[in-house]
Parts: sequence; structure tokens; C-alpha cells
Amino acid sequence: SQQGEEDPQALSIQEGENATMNCSYKTSINNLQWYRQNSGRGLVHLILIRSNEREKHSGRLRVTLDTSKKSSSLLITASRAADTASYFCATDTGGSEKLVFGKGMKLTVNP
Amino acid sequence: EADIYQTPRYLVIGTGKKITLECSQTMGHDKMYWYQQDPGMELHLIHYSYGVNSTEKGDLSSESTVSRIRTEHFPLTLESARPSHTSQYLCASSFRTANEKLFFGSGTQLSVL
Repeated sequence: SQQGEEDPQALSIQEGENATMNCSYKTSINNLQWYRQNSGRGLVHLILIRSNEREKHSGRLRVTLDTSKKSSSLLITASRAADTASYFCATDTGGSEKLVFGKGMKLTVNP
Repeated sequence: EADIYQTPRYLVIGTGKKITLECSQTMGHDKMYWYQQDPGMELHLIHYSYGVNSTEKGDLSSESTVSRIRTEHFPLTLESARPSHTSQYLCASSFRTANEKLFFGSGTQLSVL
């Protein structure tokens, strides 16, 4: 069964606005990762947050993790048209070599 | 830009054909993975490998097979393609485990007529 689920499933904003995407998961995790996928391409790793971390930053990205609520959020600040893509969360549930991906969330940034 | 390559990018074939999707990486990664992704849907792991001569089936049942004779090469084969195999196939690799960062290829979009 699906571990991670992104919310909302689609988001459309104007350039310069902030975009927030949420990911909820069901079982305990070792870490949670966010990936970006441009249309028709492979995924690109954005950021990894471990279960003992609460917040992490990378450039215009900010990720938070709340293990008590089994949820994570990805914030993209000052969005650009080039941020238009699908965003996936992926969880490592431990004890295996496999990441479990959510269905993804489509972000459209209008110029 | 990741050094992991998939060929072909697009493939249209008829039912019953045997096909091999190629995946190569130049990063020396031990771990390699094949995911299947339908449009707008999540990725499903179909095969993975811990290293040379190691292959495991993933969570999604697949009629494909894989081999890992060389560290850098992880091809996926369908002996007899069917329309239900139409999908995007993504290859990925990681340095140590999938618990760390995955590097993805650009994918192969397969259409079986």
C-alpha cells in the first residue's frame, strides 16, 4: 500500500509566490526525501531529512518533518517558472533497501 | 546532472516482441533499481540489485527480468511485450543504499501496440 501521499495533488501559483506541499505517511521512517520530476524526465533528488531532524534548508527549499503527525512539508520560496514540475516524497521505512514514493504533486508556476 | 543513462528514450513496438531496456551508470554505484511509472502516478519498484550477480524482485509484480553482470550495467528485458507493459521505466542508482540519495536516468517511455 502507498506509504507517502502528497497534498494538494495540484497547485498553481504566480511567480514570486511561495509554494507549500505536504506529505503524509503511515509507518515510522528512518528518513524522508523529496524529489522533483520535470515532464517526461527522471526524478532529481532535492533534499533528505532524517527522522531525528525537524527542519532542513537548501537554497530556496525548506523541509520540515513532524514524526508525531507522520507528515512532512516542502516549502519553495520565491517560486520561478522553472520550478514547474511534479514533486514526490519518498520514505525509507527501515529494514529494506527500498524507498516508497507517493503519487506526486503537480506544481505550476505561472510567469 | 547524474551520470546514469537510459536507452532508448522512446520505444514503440508490436505485441510479442522481445525488448531490452538499457541502463548504465558511471558513478561506481553498487545499488541499482528499476521503477515503473504510469502518467501522473507513483513510482513502483519492480527490480533492484545490491551489486554484481545480485538481483531482487520489487514490490510490483513484473513479467520483466534483469541481470547485473557488470557494476555499471543493469538491463531490463521483456521476453514478450504486451500492451499492458506500456509505461515509463525509470532506472536509478545509489552509492550505498536507497536510504540515501537516488540518482535517476531520464527514463524509457515504452508503448506496446
